[in-house]
Amino acid sequence: QKEVEQDPGPLSVPEGAIVSLNCTYSNSAFQYFMWYRQYSRKGPELLMYTYSSGNKEDGRFTAQVDKSSKYISLFIRDSQPSDSATYLCAIHGSSNTGKLIFGQGTTLQVKP
Amino acid sequence: ETGVTQSPTHLIKTRGQQVTLRCSSQSGHNTVSWYQQALGQGPQFIFQYYREEENGRGNFPPRFSGLQFPNYSSELNVNALELDDSALYLCASSLTLNTNEQFFGPGTRLTVL
Repeated sequence: QKEVEQDPGPLSVPEGAIVSLNCTYSNSAFQYFMWYRQYSRKGPELLMYTYSSGNKEDGRFTAQVDKSSKYISLFIRDSQPSDSATYLCAIHGSSNTGKLIFGQGTTLQVKP
Repeated sequence: ETGVTQSPTHLIKTRGQQVTLRCSSQSGHNTVSWYQQALGQGPQFIFQYYREEENGRGNFPPRFSGLQFPNYSSELNVNALELDDSALYLCASSLTLNTNEQFFGPGTRLTVL
């Protein structure tokens, strides 16, 4: 079983739709959760960073963590064509190193 | 404040050769991590450097090695290149060792023929 599982998609939605991106993880000791956005042929860009269970909102983006289910989500409201990218969930996997464990990434296309 | 920079942007090598990739951390950051991202996959942790010392390593063979310099810039060296080493190599810096947020550079795309 992979430590972090993410549906690779692709996911195609019309402009203005609400997008839900999800990951599951296996180790209940994981505490820090991140979402990165990666445009084609670019490095990942940090979008959201959460520590505890619950919701964290930043503009059109909401990150949600459910530690009891080991499930993390990213919601994008009023999606725009510029949101078309690959979204990667990442979990801080070790208390001793900065190792991030990434999901496979979900490719999102927002059609005008 | 400058972000993370990497060089070169692209590189083509043949099997068996050696390669050195370079990274400059974001200003004020003293911790650097390297990741390998194969096509269609998420990044895989190679290792991390903090104050010129390796601090953690992923599941990569010893032919992957690194250095961090006093100015916190870093190098990734790969010896005896294999076809499967073809990937995007990403460098990420963080403010210090206990900071979870990592900021990535644009990557170096390595092709091994």
